[in-house]
Amino acid sequence: EDQVTQSPEALRLQEGESSSLNCSYTVSGLRGLFWYRQDPGKGPEFLFTLYSAGEEKEKERLKATLTKKESFLHITAPKPEDSATYLCAVQAPDFGNEKLTFGTGTRLTIIP
Amino acid sequence: DAGITQSPRHKVTETGTPVTLRCHQTENHRYMYWYRQDPGHGLRLIHYSYGVKDTDKGEVSDGYSVSRSKTEDFLLTLESATSSQTSVYFCATSPGGMNTQYFGPGTRLTVL
Repeated sequence: EDQVTQSPEALRLQEGESSSLNCSYTVSGLRGLFWYRQDPGKGPEFLFTLYSAGEEKEKERLKATLTKKESFLHITAPKPEDSATYLCAVQAPDFGNEKLTFGTGTRLTIIP
Repeated sequence: DAGITQSPRHKVTETGTPVTLRCHQTENHRYMYWYRQDPGHGLRLIHYSYGVKDTDKGEVSDGYSVSRSKTEDFLLTLESATSSQTSVYFCATSPGGMNTQYFGPGTRLTVL
């Protein structure tokens, strides 16, 4: 059973069309939830870390939020350069506190 | 960025041959990790190191070994490569086990 699930697998948006990506997790004692961006042929690039329910973080057109069961990455008025795969990962005692367990990602395409 | 380089960036090899991938970091981070990324599976941890000569297994460690003789270098060895080890391999580093992980650019390995 997947413990970190991202949805949708792929999302196509028009430039300026806001939307949200979802990361749900089924672990106890979450230590941290991480969002990364990955461009084709490159390594994941760190975006945010969230530690507790209710926490929010923003960077340019991106805002990440966290509840006890899921995290959302909200993208406001996206531009073509926001096209990438977005990965979430959790850190929890279930997996070993020093390790990250990743979802399979959401591939986002922004159409000009 | 954590100043992480990986070498080689691309490699094609034959089944049964030994392969060593190198990760080098300039940030003096204590923790280093090796992941593989495959379609439909996301990033999966192979091995990690929490200090010089201190290593531990991840979820997909069979067929792989690692060594860390210096803080800055973490080697991943496939003793006898198999086609199932065709993948993209990423190194990551972190200042502490509970901290953000920063990723290198990746090595694309093809085993024929």
